[in-house]
Amino acid sequence: EAQVTQNPRYLITVTGKKLTVTCSQNMNHEYMSWYRQDPGLGLRQIYYSMNVEVTDKGDVPEGYKVSRKEKRNFPLILESPSPNQTSLYFCASTMVPGKNTEAFFGQGTRLTVV
Amino acid sequence: AQSVTQLDSHVSVSEGTPVLLRCNYSSSYSPSLFWYVQHPNKGLQLLLKYTSAATLVKGINGFEAEFKKSETSFHLTKPSAHMSDAAEYFCVVSDRGTGGGNKLTFGTGTQLKVEL
Repeated sequence: EAQVTQNPRYLITVTGKKLTVTCSQNMNHEYMSWYRQDPGLGLRQIYYSMNVEVTDKGDVPEGYKVSRKEKRNFPLILESPSPNQTSLYFCASTMVPGKNTEAFFGQGTRLTVV
Repeated sequence: AQSVTQLDSHVSVSEGTPVLLRCNYSSSYSPSLFWYVQHPNKGLQLLLKYTSAATLVKGINGFEAEFKKSETSFHLTKPSAHMSDAAEYFCVVSDRGTGGGNKLTFGTGTQLKVEL
């Protein structure tokens, strides 16, 4: 089954404690991205990756890092989480970086930073 | 720069009545447009997409949307609402990002409530 898998689904952590949210896709997609969803703001792009070892900032990259060492994986790293990063996070992948192609989304990771 | 405006943050309808969720977009180019649905505690699922073919697009679960370039609109409709349609709906525009690749810009979402 084609899917995007995020882990964990729920995470509560303390300010400053480094964490990683994993994302993996089994569709051999080139393009992957991370979004955060906040009430009244929709989804905003954090980082994206065009292919292995190619990453770039989205609209709200501050406080986040990513890496793309393998095509299927695109982890999101919070080196020093803060309460304003409490949010619902989605990973997405797309077959090719063309405007007509739909994105496939993971189930989401609800992060709470206290 | 592209943008999406969903004109209603909340819409409430009775079961069996029509649904209209409004979306206006702004794009410098010829965009692709999507509607996604998010059920509680679930990820986003594609309802339908417009990619410059037919202007009336049919999607899953009886939803459809009409692309109107003159009005820069892409409203989502369904003739008869069902309780299972209660969810949050996102209008999305896709176009070339500055770094290449498809950049998705999301609207702020419309929460659809369906009442008996």
